[in-house]
Amino acid sequence: KQEVTQIPAALSVPEGENLVLNCSFTDSAIYNLQWFRQDPGKGLTSLLLIQSSQREQTSGRLNASLDKSSGRSTLYIAASQPGDSATYLCAVRPPQGGSEKLVFGKGTKLTVNP
Amino acid sequence: DGGITQSPKYLFRKEGQNVTLSCEQNLNHDAMYWYRQDPGQGLRLIYYSQIVNDFQKGDIAEGYSVSREKKESFPLTVTSAQKNPTAFYLCASSIDPGTAVAFFGQGTRLTVV
Repeated sequence: KQEVTQIPAALSVPEGENLVLNCSFTDSAIYNLQWFRQDPGKGLTSLLLIQSSQREQTSGRLNASLDKSSGRSTLYIAASQPGDSATYLCAVRPPQGGSEKLVFGKGTKLTVNP
Repeated sequence: DGGITQSPKYLFRKEGQNVTLSCEQNLNHDAMYWYRQDPGQGLRLIYYSQIVNDFQKGDIAEGYSVSREKKESFPLTVTSAQKNPTAFYLCASSIDPGTAVAFFGQGTRLTVV
């Protein structure tokens, strides 16, 4: 059974710092991996989607990497801002089945202090 | 603007009552999903629908029911059989079942009083 773990559960950094969020999964047979952002009491916003054949994806100050063989993904946030404060979740999709098979981690709650 | 609308944002239910959470999308997406989120937990799939008039149970379907009579609408009923319904409920959609989930609603927080 696929399990997704995100460490740390919470992270607090000063504004301007570069930071890395970690996501690990137990079964390397995945179709893709997705990073989401969730603001308190809100829904999820998709940030980056990495297909299993890709190594990384970039969007603005965000860079996500994928190492399938080791079952790891990282989300790198450059020059963090207070507006980046949110919970970040990763989710993996297995090769069989569609989006209904997404397995989510519990998230990392990020606080960026001014 | 296209998107997913969930209503109400907050809902209170007395024990023994059924309540229905609304989810409407104007994105012309075929696939729709209901997730439950508990504090400090990942999302868990309740039900999903890949096409109108068809839906499938997810990982935690017991105590819930859904319908998909229209492409745009996928309401979730939390029945009295759900033993611990207090949670944050999220509706989502994707263009088709094979596409990564792209859009989420803003959620409904259900509290049993």
